[in-house]
Amino acid sequence: EIVLTQSPGTLSLSPGERATLSCRASQSVSSSYLAWYQQKPGQAPRLLIYGASSRATGISDRFSGSGSGTDFTLTISRLEPEDFAVYYCQQYGSSPWTFGQGTKVEIK
Amino acid sequence: EVQLVESGGGLIQPGGSLRLSCAASGFTVSSNYMSWVRQAPGKGLEWVSILYSGGSTYYADSVEGRFTISRDNSKNTLYLQMNSLRAEDTAVYYCANLGYCSGGSCYSGFFAYWGQGTLVTVSS
Repeated sequence: EIVLTQSPGTLSLSPGERATLSCRASQSVSSSYLAWYQQKPGQAPRLLIYGASSRATGISDRFSGSGSGTDFTLTISRLEPEDFAVYYCQQYGSSPWTFGQGTKVEIK
Repeated sequence: EVQLVESGGGLIQPGGSLRLSCAASGFTVSSNYMSWVRQAPGKGLEWVSILYSGGSTYYADSVEGRFTISRDNSKNTLYLQMNSLRAEDTAVYYCANLGYCSGGSCYSGFFAYWGQGTLVTVSS
C-alpha cells in the first residue's frame, strides 16, 4: 500500500498569499496518477487536480499541481477567502487507492 | 449534469447490518467505475470499495468480507451492503463516480464526482 504524507498539517496564511502544499509518497506513484481535492466543512470533497497537474473543469487557474515519482505539490497562487479549507492528495496508480491525511489551510 | 444522492444511513448497533443506496443521474452507473469512500468524524478520507463497469469488485482490507458493493442497472443505483458493523465503521459514506471526460479524452481512477454523503453511526 502506498502511504501518502502531507505537509504541513496546518498552514496559516492571509488572503492574497501563496500556499504551497506537499504530498510525499512512500513509493513511486506510477504515471503521475495523483489527484488533489478540496473539502470545506460539511461538504463533500471536490476534485481540483488529476494526473498530478491537470485542472478539473471549472477550477480556477490559481490552483496548480506539479511533481512526479514520490513528491507532489499543490500551489494556490493567491489565496481567496473561499480557498480556506482542507486539501487532500490521493494516488490511483496502485490498489488500494490511498489518501493523504490532509492539510488545513486556515486564515491567519 | 452528474448527480449522486446517497441514502440509508443511520444509527445501528454493533454487529448489525445496513444497506446504503446511491441514486445516480446524468450518467449510467453500469458504464462507469463507481466507488464508496468514507470519512470518520473529524478524520480524513478512506477508500472503501470499487465496482468496475465490467463487474469486478475490490475492497479495502478493513471491510473485506463484511461489505458488498453492487448496482441495479434498472434503477441506475449503486449500493453498499454493510454487515457485522463495528464502532470503527462510524463515518460519513460518500459514493463517487470515477469517470471523467475533458477535452475529448476520458479518464478514471480518481473520484471525479461525489454525493453529499450519508452518516452511519455504529453504537449501542
